[in-house]
Amino acid sequence: DAGITQSPRHKVTETGTPVTLRCHQTENHRYMYWYRQDPGHGLRLIHYSYGVKDTDKGEVSDGYSVSRSKTEDFLLTLESATSSQTSVYFCAISVQDNYGYTFGSGTRLTVV
Amino acid sequence: GDSVTQMEGPVTLSEEAFLTINCTYTATGYPSLFWYVQYPGEGLQLLLKATKADDKGSNKGFEATYRKETTSFHLEKGSVQVSDSAVYFCALTEPTSGTYKYIFGTGTRLKVLA
Repeated sequence: DAGITQSPRHKVTETGTPVTLRCHQTENHRYMYWYRQDPGHGLRLIHYSYGVKDTDKGEVSDGYSVSRSKTEDFLLTLESATSSQTSVYFCAISVQDNYGYTFGSGTRLTVV
Repeated sequence: GDSVTQMEGPVTLSEEAFLTINCTYTATGYPSLFWYVQYPGEGLQLLLKATKADDKGSNKGFEATYRKETTSFHLEKGSVQVSDSAVYFCALTEPTSGTYKYIFGTGTRLKVLA
C-alpha cells in the first residue's frame, strides 16, 4: 500500500537462524504494529511501537523482538527461527483509533 | 479481555446473491468497529467502520450497523459480485486505551461464483 512497504516479500530460512523483517513508512505516523496471520487465528499482535525507541509486547511476543530507531522504520527480529513461526507477517500503521489501520503487503516467512 | 467472533467460512454464493457475514464482539468499554477485506496475496484494506452505537458504516455497496444491544456488527451486501471474493475480517479497538491496538476476528472467506 502507498506509504508503507515491507521487505522482504518472501523468505525461506532454516530453523535456528535469526531473521529480520523490515517495515518502512513514509507517512511519519507515530504508531506501528507487527501482526502475524495464521489460518484459524486471524491476525495476532506481536509487538507495537508508539514512538522512536518506544515499544511494547502484544499477545504473541515470545521469540520475537523489535526495534525502532527512526520514525519510519520498524524492525521485527526472530531471534532463533522455529517452524511455528512460519506465517505471514503484516506491518500496520495507525493515525488514530477511529481511522483504521493501513497495512503493508505482508512478508511470507517459511522456516524449514 | 476484548474479543471478536466471526462466523466460520467459507461462504459460497452465486453472483447477485445477498450476503451476510456475522460478527459479534465482547468489549469492556465503547469500542469502534471495523470491517477489513483481504484479496489474495495482498494486505488488509479498511472496508468500513462505525464508531458509536447505531452508526452505519458503508462502502462499495457493503453495510454494517453497530448494534450495542446485541454486541454485533454484521456485514451485508445486497448483490455480490465475483470480484467480492476475498477474506473479510471484523475488528475492534478501544479508543480510550491510548494504544490504538486492534483485535481481529479469525476472518471469513467469501467465494462468489459466476
